[in-house]
Amino acid sequence: SQTIHQWPATLVQPVGSPLSLECTVEGTSNPNLYWYRQAAGRGLQLLFYSVGIGQISSEVPQNLSASRPQDRQFILSSKKLLLSDSGFYLCAWTRLLSGRGETQYFGPGTRLLVL
Amino acid sequence: ELKVEQNPLFLSMQEGKNYTIYCNYSTTSDRLYWYRQDPGKSLESLFVLLSNGAVKQEGRLMASLDTKARLSTLHITAAVHDLSATYFCAVDRDRGSTLGRLYFGRGTQLTVWP
Repeated sequence: SQTIHQWPATLVQPVGSPLSLECTVEGTSNPNLYWYRQAAGRGLQLLFYSVGIGQISSEVPQNLSASRPQDRQFILSSKKLLLSDSGFYLCAWTRLLSGRGETQYFGPGTRLLVL
Repeated sequence: ELKVEQNPLFLSMQEGKNYTIYCNYSTTSDRLYWYRQDPGKSLESLFVLLSNGAVKQEGRLMASLDTKARLSTLHITAAVHDLSATYFCAVDRDRGSTLGRLYFGRGTQLTVWP
């Protein structure tokens, strides 16, 4: 079966500090990978997605970047955090085949507080 | 820009009662998802709906999709306290694509009381 891991679970960082969040998926190969952010009391916003190693697409202009150094590893980074980067960051994966109804599976999330 | 609107945003209901959550979206899509989120937790997949008229049921929850009306519903039957959570619908932005870019509604926070 497939499993998705995220770490750390919780992070408190000062403004201007760097950030690195990691996501790994087990039990599948060549998944689509996604980073979402959830602000308090809101829905999820797609930040980045990747369809393969080294292939990253950004959905919104922001202070963050993403990388996919290995097939099942997805990293979210920032060089200098802003207060507005606070939120709940969720990694997700799927393997979509045309016409098929595969869901997106979400990791446990990282709660980031920037002070 | 794709818009996904859920209503109500907050729902408080008594155990044993029925209610429906609505999800309207603004553009054509061929995948619609329902998720559940418990406080402080991640998202749990409930349903994936692919075609017009699709209906799926799991326990006290039933989801349906009307692609012509761009509307999905999540119906709760005989609510119990364990159903208390936030429910999200999400729409795949790219019809016929395998990118899987989802747009989420703001969620419906459901509280079931005795």
